[in-house]
Formats: sequence, C-alpha cells, structure tokens
Amino acid sequence: RKEVEQDPGPFNVPEGATVAFNCTYSNSASQSFFWYRQDCRKEPKLLMSVYSSGNEDGRFTAQLNRASQYISLLIRDSKLSDSATYLCVVNSPTGGFKTIFGAGTRLFVKA
Amino acid sequence: GAVVSQHPSWVICKSGTSVKIECRSLDFQATTMFWYRQFPKQSLMLMATSNEGSKATYEQGVEKDKFLINHASLTLSTLTVTSAHPEDSSFYICSAVVRGRASDEQFFGPGTRLTVL
Repeated sequence: RKEVEQDPGPFNVPEGATVAFNCTYSNSASQSFFWYRQDCRKEPKLLMSVYSSGNEDGRFTAQLNRASQYISLLIRDSKLSDSATYLCVVNSPTGGFKTIFGAGTRLFVKA
Repeated sequence: GAVVSQHPSWVICKSGTSVKIECRSLDFQATTMFWYRQFPKQSLMLMATSNEGSKATYEQGVEKDKFLINHASLTLSTLTVTSAHPEDSSFYICSAVVRGRASDEQFFGPGTRLTVL
C-alpha cells in the first residue's frame, strides 16, 4: 500500500463546477499536510496547508480527518486556470522529516 | 515566499557524461534541501536529503555513487548525475524547507529537465 493515495483522475469538469479530491495516508503519526498544484512541466507550488480545523482560501477548502487519515480538497466555481495536477503531500516522521507525495490527480476544466 | 533557483533549466547530454545541477536558496539559508525526480505522469520521488556540512541521506534504491550530492553552503546544493544513461532522463527538482511555527513549507526550484541521448 502506498503511503499517500489519491483519486486516480483525471477529472473533466465544466467551468463553474464544484470538484472534490480525496487523499488517504497510511502513517497515523504524520504531522502536517498540504495540497500542492503542479502545472505541466513545472515545479509544484503550495496551494494550501491542511489543518484539523479545516481551512478555506477563496474557492478552495481543505479538510483533514485524522481519525480516518483522510484529506480532501474542494474547489468551487472551477475556472479554466484551475486545470492542473493536484498533489496531496504528507510530512511523515518516519526516518526524520520526510515528505511523501501522492501521485496527483489531474483536473481539466473546460469552457 | 522563499525563492529557490535551479541551474540549468534543461540539459541534453550524451550517454556516459556527467551532469551537474545546482540548487540555490536565493533569499534564505537552507540547512536542508531535498532532491526529487519525476518521470512523466508520475509523482515526485524523493531521491535524497541534502544536509549542509554533512553527507546526504539517500532513499532506498538510489545509488549514492551515481547521484553525487554536495551541500557546501547554506544556500547551495548540487546534484551530479555521473555517467548518465538514457534511463536517467527525467525532471529533477530540488526543494528547501522553511521551518515554521505551525508547519514546515517546502519551496521548490523550477526543475531541471535532463535528456540523455
């Protein structure tokens, strides 16, 4: 089992749609969680951190459920510019500070 | 946010040559940097942790004699792919950690696309 697993995707949605991505992690001792966005042939960029209390940044909402070891990202009112790969990222204490990336979920937003 | 640069952004080389990739933190000091590799349509895979002033820590399956890492200063880490072969062709990305009170954030370099002919 992979340490971080994501929806396989791709997601094809029309502009204005709401789309949700899910992610699960296997190490219950994981300490911090993030969603990154990666555009084609570019480096990943931090989209938002994920906290137990949940957090919202404009059209983006992230949730963390430690009991279920589950992370989600909700994008409302999708824009064409949201098309990218979304990476679920978990910092695991195993072997010291170690960042584990999910395989990513590809999103295509169409006009 | 913090800025991390990489050089070169792309390189094409012949099989058997060595390629050096530089990773610099431009506006902060980074005692720890990471080197990742990403094959097409796959996620980033951590290759090694680069520690300033000490030996790098390599992930399982990564040959330390093939991928030489030198973290000579608090702002520079280099990855040298020795005797590169076509299967080493990949997107190599470095990152540096900025320690925060709530959590640690990684800032990524723009990546280096290596093509070995």
